[in-house]
Amino acid sequence: DAKTTQPNSMESNEEEPVHLPCNHSTISGTDYIHWYRQLPSQGPEYVIHGLTSNVNNRMASLAIAEDRKSSTLILHRATLRDAAVYYCILRGGPYGGSQGNLIFGKGTKLSVKP
Amino acid sequence: EAQVTQNPRYLITVTGKKLTVTCSQNMNHEYMSWYRQDPGLGLRQIYYSMNVEVTDKGDVPEGYKVSRKEKRNFPLILESPSPNQTSLYFCASSLSWGPNYGYTFGSGTRLTVV
Repeated sequence: DAKTTQPNSMESNEEEPVHLPCNHSTISGTDYIHWYRQLPSQGPEYVIHGLTSNVNNRMASLAIAEDRKSSTLILHRATLRDAAVYYCILRGGPYGGSQGNLIFGKGTKLSVKP
Repeated sequence: EAQVTQNPRYLITVTGKKLTVTCSQNMNHEYMSWYRQDPGLGLRQIYYSMNVEVTDKGDVPEGYKVSRKEKRNFPLILESPSPNQTSLYFCASSLSWGPNYGYTFGSGTRLTVV
């Protein structure tokens, strides 16, 4: 039962910014928003996570709406290596599970054109 | 380099022949977990361990066993593999199971049971 909604697919041009949206309208106050990505033939890779404030790291930025019902993962300059399935996952609160389970939905398949 | 190492990467076996997939992490992580990934079903948690000698079932534990005798190792055991266990398996680890921690995944083990 996915608690987040993401577009099935998106396309981007190389070296342009990419904004990947995620809706989580039933998020609770204690849920963290996590993003992972999975490149072809590889394991999932942690990208970024946040609770309320926007977050930046070397891979991406996470913009969280003021009401926390949506968030956006921002890749500042897409490269061919960024082509992957991106998963938005809620953790903590009623969705995190007591076992630390990551509940993966279908994610967004990002294609990057040269 | 901080990593989760799984072995083997590929394995073809016959029904009923016991096998073990190894998982090792070098980050002194307390939490470790096994997932399987199947087309159309996504990633599902099999077993998890919150620390040495502490393991518990995930969402799809039937047909699998695990052990956690040392902090760094978390092997997945299939005592009598069946064709429905043909899947892509991932091991993951995290400093802690809490929602404010990201997970590191291994590169995967593709298992085929004939």
